[in-house]
Amino acid sequence: DIQMTQSPSSLSASVGDKVTITCRASQSISSYLNWYQQKAGKAPKLLIYTASSLQSGVPSRFSGSGSGTDFTLTISSLQPEDFATYYCQQSYSNTRTFGQGTTVEIK
Amino acid sequence: QVQLQESGPGLMRPSETLSLTCAVSGFSFSSGYFWGWIRQPPGKGLEWIGNIYHNGNTYYNPSLKSRVTISLDTSKNQFSLKLSSVTAADTALYYCARQWGGSYGWFDPWGQGTLVTVSS
Repeated sequence: DIQMTQSPSSLSASVGDKVTITCRASQSISSYLNWYQQKAGKAPKLLIYTASSLQSGVPSRFSGSGSGTDFTLTISSLQPEDFATYYCQQSYSNTRTFGQGTTVEIK
Repeated sequence: QVQLQESGPGLMRPSETLSLTCAVSGFSFSSGYFWGWIRQPPGKGLEWIGNIYHNGNTYYNPSLKSRVTISLDTSKNQFSLKLSSVTAADTALYYCARQWGGSYGWFDPWGQGTLVTVSS
């Protein structure tokens, strides 16, 4: 199995801050990395697919980068509605795996 | 607009077989695509259960493979999950999702989820 490791597991930030979340794969997954946002009591929502493509309707303050084993999700200016848990997921292998999640909390 | 809706038993006893259905609306199964099941234990992260492709090929999480079956019912525009010999560890919110973007694709959209509790 391909293991996905996110860091940090949680972070505290203020509105307007730039936030960076990292996801590392246990082997190369090319650019087959996706990011999801999950708010409390809600289903996950796709933000970024194939490492850097912004899903339609997602604000441009969200961006993704990386390839191979190391990936990053960046929120350029954190907004109140962005406080949530973020998950990466690899789609390189037929057996999919998610990262353990990163919770972004209000500072 | 594609919408997915999970349905299931809610409460189960240990050793029973869990059966969940995901009804798909706003989209025809005859168009192909791939479909998946993901679960989330209370207060924990997401765990991929398995995928089924429009040709019937299935892929399962190795840790669940011996107990999982995913199937398609194109006539009803739905797909299903069966998980045998459930235990308390299978208590979770179960989501179904469409996999967009081919065999290397991503999950979008997701259903709202259905909570399954396993308790004696």
